[in-house]
Amino acid sequence: GDSVTQMEGPVTLSEEACLTINCTYTATGYPSLFWYVQYPGEGLQLLLKATKADDKGSNKGFEATYRKETTSFHLEKGSVQVSDSAVYFCALSDQTGANNLFFGTGTRLTVIP
Amino acid sequence: DTGVSQDPRHKITKRGQNVTFRCDPISEHNRLYWYRQTLGQGPEFLTYFQNEAQLEKSRLLSDRFSAERPKGSFSTLEIQRTEQGDSAMYLCASSSSRLYTIYFGEGSWLTVV
Repeated sequence: GDSVTQMEGPVTLSEEACLTINCTYTATGYPSLFWYVQYPGEGLQLLLKATKADDKGSNKGFEATYRKETTSFHLEKGSVQVSDSAVYFCALSDQTGANNLFFGTGTRLTVIP
Repeated sequence: DTGVSQDPRHKITKRGQNVTFRCDPISEHNRLYWYRQTLGQGPEFLTYFQNEAQLEKSRLLSDRFSAERPKGSFSTLEIQRTEQGDSAMYLCASSSSRLYTIYFGEGSWLTVV
């Protein structure tokens, strides 16, 4: 079945460092791919998405490119801030039926000043 | 657009009691989802409504769980005879059938003591 494998954390970076969080997926069809962010004690917020191969999603300085050949959707940011500290979830939607989301286990990012 | 709202945000209950959570989706969204998230894990799908029809249920949704969406607007998730293993955050989400993006509420934390 459909699944997402996400880089395990936690990840600790200094402010202005580069960030990469790896995400690979397994899907039978042509899923849409998402990154969601969860701040402490809160629900999930959509960070960015890509709906087809080679699409690049971007938001708030974060980027991820839908790579069908490597079944990956790695999250990147060139310069992280303390306010980026959160848990990041990679997810896919199979675009059939319920368009249900399958999530990875999450990667906790802590950015220190 | 006021977003997905959930109530209550936090609930502490004694084992064996019943609890009910309410979700109000984004007003123009006809799809509504319930997910469960335990500490350190990604959200897991529980059930899905399109308008008032419950179209899909996860195996995670035991007989003690029931969800309704009587008029195709708000939804309730009831857990009967709560157990300590039910302690989790219950997330509601909504989307439209035209777009593939699912938007989440802030979640309802349940602690069973």
